[in-house]
Amino acid sequence: NAGVMQNPRHLVRRRGQEARLRCSPMKGHSHVYWYRQLPEEGLKFMVYLQKENIIDESGMPKERFSAEFPKEGPSILRIQQVVRGDSAAYFCASQSGTDYGYTFGSGTRLTVV
Amino acid sequence: GESVGLHLPTLSVQEGDNSIINCAYSNSASDYFIWYKQESGKGPQFIIDIRSNMDKRQGQRVTVLLNKTVKHLSLQIAATQPGDSAVYFCAEKLDGDSNYQLIWGAGTKLIIKP
Repeated sequence: NAGVMQNPRHLVRRRGQEARLRCSPMKGHSHVYWYRQLPEEGLKFMVYLQKENIIDESGMPKERFSAEFPKEGPSILRIQQVVRGDSAAYFCASQSGTDYGYTFGSGTRLTVV
Repeated sequence: GESVGLHLPTLSVQEGDNSIINCAYSNSASDYFIWYKQESGKGPQFIIDIRSNMDKRQGQRVTVLLNKTVKHLSLQIAATQPGDSAVYFCAEKLDGDSNYQLIWGAGTKLIIKP
């Protein structure tokens, strides 16, 4: 089991471009969470998804940000028209739904120039 | 229990000494607690967990203590090593079979002095 796979590890985008962050959960895990983290700060919850459903998106900005977890394929966090303030590390975590612990990926570090 | 825009509190400990990292959780209805370790440049990793029907649980060099009376959780690391330098997060889960989300604490940065 390869664990939670996030790609790319590093992503550089110019202001106004779109950023697409991918997360493949652990095999058998049907719950996915996205978090944002700035340097020397904690984890900020963004969105919680189950297959084909958004369960809680209370932490995600209403504009420019969207997330999906389709029936097949990875979960995608999309940021449209990126701004410098979007620069951060974005972590994905998956959960089986029977055990409560999360397994985190290695994160995607987004830099907006 | 979610960290937003706050710089991490820091704990400095001499190598070889024991460390105690504290966490005050928010909800008396929480039934499950967990500690994670995040090393620089990596994602958080599971350390140890404890259910609310327990007061103490031990792992390898780590012990988690739960005091439900004052809603306090602590992580004790015995004989700290340089590899223990990291940010440590506590998290809680609200009671109920339909509640899967963890609520995260602000994190504590542990620095091991040689």
